[in-house]
Amino acid sequence: AQRVTQPEKLLSVFKGAPVELKCNYSYSGSPELFWYVQYSRQRLQLLLRHISRESIKGFTADLNKGETSFHLKKPFAQEEDSAMYYCALSADTNAGKSTFGDGTTLTVKP
Amino acid sequence: DTGVSQNPRHKITKRGQNVTFRCDPISEHNRLYWYRQTLGQGPEFLTYFQNEAQLEKSRLLSDRFSAERPKGSFSTLEIQRTEQGDSAMYLCASSLTGTQYFGPGTRLTVL
Repeated sequence: AQRVTQPEKLLSVFKGAPVELKCNYSYSGSPELFWYVQYSRQRLQLLLRHISRESIKGFTADLNKGETSFHLKKPFAQEEDSAMYYCALSADTNAGKSTFGDGTTLTVKP
Repeated sequence: DTGVSQNPRHKITKRGQNVTFRCDPISEHNRLYWYRQTLGQGPEFLTYFQNEAQLEKSRLLSDRFSAERPKGSFSTLEIQRTEQGDSAMYLCASSLTGTQYFGPGTRLTVL
């Protein structure tokens, strides 16, 4: 069975502070991991996926298979980063069906 | 707008009525997914199509739920004999290479 856990429902940081959104997963195979973001009144959209190894909007995420984690990090948070963030796992890259965590609401205070 | 579209955006119905939602994916995408999202939770997978074939259905999809994608383009999700527990946001997504592009969702309220 696949499971994604985001232990923090809410996370609040000040502008310019580092931010880390935690994601742990449970899956016996080699998953593909994603971070999705939903800004206020907008649709869910992909932020980054681990196979691309990109930095998007200053965010990075490293897949740690030993700890089964895929934490999202940004060294200097901006107010426009305030949003809901979802971690998701896909067992089969070709199919793409994803299992989502319950999300973390990030608030960046001025 | 060439993104995924969903109609209607909001639906209020009485318990026991049938409802149908439509999803129009990005035109070249061959995969289409339906998810359900309730307050405070992430999207939960319901079903998935590759072209017109329905390849996977979640246990969440009871026999009151049916989905179709007759020509491999748009898809419909029908819920028969709605129950108050069906109240949720229903999300559609499409993909070509694994990255899913989501629609704005249809919010269903069952009174």
